[in-house]
Amino acid sequence: DTGVSQDPRHKITKRGQNVTFRCDPISEHNRLYWYRQTLGQGPEFLTYFQNEAQLEKSRLLSDRFSAERPKGSFSTLEIQRTEQGDSAMYLCASSSRRPGSYEQYFGPGTRLTVT
Amino acid sequence: GIQVEQSPPDLILQEGANSTLRCNFSDSVNNLQWFHQNPWGQLINLFYIPSGTKQNGRLSATTVATERYSLLYISSSQTTDSGVYFCAVVGETSGSRLTFGEGTQLTVNP
Repeated sequence: DTGVSQDPRHKITKRGQNVTFRCDPISEHNRLYWYRQTLGQGPEFLTYFQNEAQLEKSRLLSDRFSAERPKGSFSTLEIQRTEQGDSAMYLCASSSRRPGSYEQYFGPGTRLTVT
Repeated sequence: GIQVEQSPPDLILQEGANSTLRCNFSDSVNNLQWFHQNPWGQLINLFYIPSGTKQNGRLSATTVATERYSLLYISSSQTTDSGVYFCAVVGETSGSRLTFGEGTQLTVNP
């Protein structure tokens, strides 16, 4: 069990560019979550997948954001036409398929800076 | 949606002291977790405790679900305990999303 991994760990981009982040969950976990954390705040929920199905989306997930989990394993989060307000830490988490086991485990995050 | 309040927002201790962090939530929950966020941003799982009491070394936690609060106890604090402690819950009507409090910034001085 290697834990949740995320790539890249850091990304600096210019305003208007597109960026894509990847998350690999713990191997036996069927649930995958994306959160965003800005400085001095707690993480905020963005979206949730169960297997390949995207079951929940936050109002924070504007039209410029899209997330996929095509084969029910890794997931990608794309931000199009980045804005300075998108600068944040993007966190991925996963949880088990076992009924009643809702504990979420987080990856190290991708820190995005939009200049 | 469900509201999560943590107190105190900041806490400064001398090494060896004990502390209690509190988390209040506004509705019934299916899940409650305590995390420690290290200086690099990694969220480290401390407890999964929707109800009851658990202990792990110098840390323990108690959740009284009927009264909608949870407490995290840190005993004999060490400088490595410094960081931000988050409480996060999944409300019974919140699907699967964790809702986080704003955290307690703990500083342990040598």
